[in-house]
Amino acid sequence: AQSVTQLDSHVSVSEGTPVLLRCNYSSSYSPSLFWYVQHPNKGLQLLLKYTSAATLVKGINGFEAEFKKSETSFHLTKPSAHMSDAAEYFCVVGDFGNEKLTFGTGTRLTIIP
Amino acid sequence: ETGVTQTPRHLVMGMTNKKSLKCEQHLGHNAMYWYKQSAKKPLELMFVYSLEERVENNSVPSRFSPECPNSSHLFLHLHTLQPEDSALYLCASSQRTAMNTEAFFGQGTRLTVV
Repeated sequence: AQSVTQLDSHVSVSEGTPVLLRCNYSSSYSPSLFWYVQHPNKGLQLLLKYTSAATLVKGINGFEAEFKKSETSFHLTKPSAHMSDAAEYFCVVGDFGNEKLTFGTGTRLTIIP
Repeated sequence: ETGVTQTPRHLVMGMTNKKSLKCEQHLGHNAMYWYKQSAKKPLELMFVYSLEERVENNSVPSRFSPECPNSSHLFLHLHTLQPEDSALYLCASSQRTAMNTEAFFGQGTRLTVV
């Protein structure tokens, strides 16, 4: 069985400051991990993915995430927040072969001008 | 544009109506999915089709009926829905291989049952 926990339902940061969105996972197999972003009234867009290659994964729009097996974490970071980053972010875990993706409950990111 | 197109974008229907949601993918993928996104709840996987065969049905009520006529198209037929079925319905596609690949999502259909 696999599961994912997003530790914060809502994060607010000021524009230009760092962003940290936290995610912990549980998986019986070597997991694949993803971060998706959803802007209002839009579908989900892939930000980045981890598939057992490099543990530090770089994604679009300056986001990156680090896979830490010892901590079962896959936190999403960005050095400097932009207003356009305001959205809902989902951490997702997939088992080998990805027949089933398990989504976290989401973290709403608010950017303060 | 993700290569996955859903229509309609918005739908309001009465509880006695019959309607269908349509999804089309232009990515050459071999798997398609229906998800339900309700407020304050995790995304719920409803159905999975792989190579046009249904491989997963997550205890979804029979008032939701999927159809996958070919690898590029997926439908969700709706009848006698309940107000609690109001949600954003998302379609996704992926290429199922031994390696893990991401799912590509459409923009969703916002369904309101009145």
